[in-house]
Amino acid sequence: EPEVTQTPSHQVTQMGQEVILRCVPISNHLYFYWYRQILGQKVEFLVSFYNNEISEKSEIFDDQFSVERPDGSNFTLKIRSTKLEDSAMYFCASGGTSGRHTGELFFGEGSRLTVL
Amino acid sequence: GQNIDQPTEMTATEGAIVQINCTYQTSGFNGLFWYQQHAGEAPTFLSYNVLDGLEEKGRFSSFLSRSKGYSYLLLKELQMKDSASYLCAAPRSNDYKLSFGAGTTVTVRA
Repeated sequence: EPEVTQTPSHQVTQMGQEVILRCVPISNHLYFYWYRQILGQKVEFLVSFYNNEISEKSEIFDDQFSVERPDGSNFTLKIRSTKLEDSAMYFCASGGTSGRHTGELFFGEGSRLTVL
Repeated sequence: GQNIDQPTEMTATEGAIVQINCTYQTSGFNGLFWYQQHAGEAPTFLSYNVLDGLEEKGRFSSFLSRSKGYSYLLLKELQMKDSASYLCAAPRSNDYKLSFGAGTTVTVRA
């Protein structure tokens, strides 16, 4: 069964460093998302991406963050100059095929980022 | 915007039934989802309601009332593995951005 894959599963970084989280969405999906979940808190929307551009970003998604779809398969989240409060689980999700989106999102297993 | 409310915690014993309520206010309605999330893992799809009424899927059922902005997830014959967080979520109609409630942590005791 097709699935969303994310790498790395865990990353530890020093404050101020740049981090790139990678995602391979399900191949025929057209909508891509990044969500974040700080330990013990709710799943929070960061950004949605459709037709090779950001369709919406939350107030969390400031200039520190960027997303790219560098080729036909990868969808990356870059966090520049990481801060302690960026420590969280980052989930990639995808959904919607050509002409149809049920609203269901398929989530990757997540990338746990720890900023020291 | 989307505003989704659900209880924070519920505890039940193995074999029992638990009902998790969710109230929502959304700008435009495009259905209501329930996801299950075990600690440290990704949310996984449980159910989707777009019409009023009850959708049954094995031990799990989900109910929707659009006029009341209300849904519930019913878990029957609880098993220890059902201990998890249950997330009520509503997609926005234009780009299907999913907004989650804070989640209800269900603890199943022996």
